[in-house]
Amino acid sequence: AQSVSQHNHHVILSEAASLELGCNYSYGGTVNLFWYVQYPGQHLQLLLKYFSGDPLVKGIKGFEAEFIKSKFSFNLRKPSVQWSDTAEYFCAAYNQGGKLIFGQGTELSVKP
Amino acid sequence: GAGVSQSPSNKVTEKGKDVELRCDPISGHTALYWYRQSLGQGLEFLIYFQGNSAPDKSGLPSDRFSAERTGGSVSTLTIQRTQQEDSAVYLCASSRISRSTGGNTDTQYFGPGTRLTVL
Repeated sequence: AQSVSQHNHHVILSEAASLELGCNYSYGGTVNLFWYVQYPGQHLQLLLKYFSGDPLVKGIKGFEAEFIKSKFSFNLRKPSVQWSDTAEYFCAAYNQGGKLIFGQGTELSVKP
Repeated sequence: GAGVSQSPSNKVTEKGKDVELRCDPISGHTALYWYRQSLGQGLEFLIYFQGNSAPDKSGLPSDRFSAERTGGSVSTLTIQRTQQEDSAVYLCASSRISRSTGGNTDTQYFGPGTRLTVL
């Protein structure tokens, strides 16, 4: 079955540390990839997306992600996290049937 | 409106009762989706509507769940004879287009969700 995997369930970092959250998808072909963020008490918001072109995409709030086709990966990165980045992060991809499949989510806690 | 809106924001009901959850998509968005977010379960696709096409109901967990979209805009998700395992946050999202043969689909924008608690 087509799936999206996030290997880190809960990440705890101190402010100014660098962040990388893993995301892998299970199928080839054309993929449209997303990272969404859900801040405490708020709704899902789009961080960034990849449809085609430059595999390094930049999103809001200093986040970026790199699409590596050979590794079926779309990892999220930020060079220096802030306490306000504490949230749950979801990787998602459209499958070949047109459904948006989500990973299980990664909870990020940033200690001030 | 500016974003996807959902109502009510919270709903507490007794086991066995029916509930209706409403979603107002972004104006002009032809595709509308419903998801369920449960603790430890991530986001689970339920159903989506694309224009006048028949909805994709493949994610509905049982025949107690149904949804309709009137006039290509507002959607209602109905859960009949609610069970405690139905407790979750129900999310609605909309996008300009849905799937295409090229696989190029548009960004989904999410509403704030309805938190359903079945006692």
